Amino acid sequence: QSALTQPASVSGSPGQSITISCTGTSSDVGNYNLVSWYQQHPGKAPKLMIYEVTKRPSGVSIRFSGSKSGNTASLTISGLQAEDEADYYCCSYAGNSVPYVFGTGTKVTVL
Amino acid sequence: QITLTESGPTLVKPTQTLTLTCTFSGFSLSTYGVAVGWIRQPPGKALEWLALIYWDGDKRYSPSLKSRLTITKDTSKNQVVLTMTNVDPVDTATYFCAHRTSKSSGFGNWGQGTLVTVSS
Repeated sequence: QSALTQPASVSGSPGQSITISCTGTSSDVGNYNLVSWYQQHPGKAPKLMIYEVTKRPSGVSIRFSGSKSGNTASLTISGLQAEDEADYYCCSYAGNSVPYVFGTGTKVTVL
Repeated sequence: QITLTESGPTLVKPTQTLTLTCTFSGFSLSTYGVAVGWIRQPPGKALEWLALIYWDGDKRYSPSLKSRLTITKDTSKNQVVLTMTNVDPVDTATYFCAHRTSKSSGFGNWGQGTLVTVSS
């Protein structure tokens, strides 16, 4: 099972919107609506931001939204804020034998 | 409130066996759908899923590490233990344990992680 592919970095100015892609295969992202996204600040544990492609856990800002088309999932951050500067990882269910595969990670920089 | 705490050695020698313990509270690993996973992150690198143990005792492992990993649970102690044999310097990483309530929920709760260095 190979890691899902994400861009190494994405940047934007405060107030702008950015989108992070997460490309997998028909065996993982394309086959299940079970993509989650995690935010990780330096030295901290990851935080769940999106699950089941589009759902936000309680307490997560509505500025974070998820979507999926074919084998590619996406995370959009609207109204970018300085506190959004972090690493972001996607994760997909990949079947009963290998339930999880993470993405390569994307560093978001707020200019 | 759900909490998870990883514990184990900070330094292990190559070829040794690494044993990590995840002690949790706020949920039961006997509840249908619940699972605890181990995920690691080498310094400056991406997250990597390692292993998962389900409420019913079923287990899953990363194919690339399957031969070296064993995950077990002690429901009475609220602990999950990960054992990794024959460690190598490339296994140097922060090891996290995390909790999920169902297949679709994602890992909603994480421990703070424990850094393990493999060096002679």
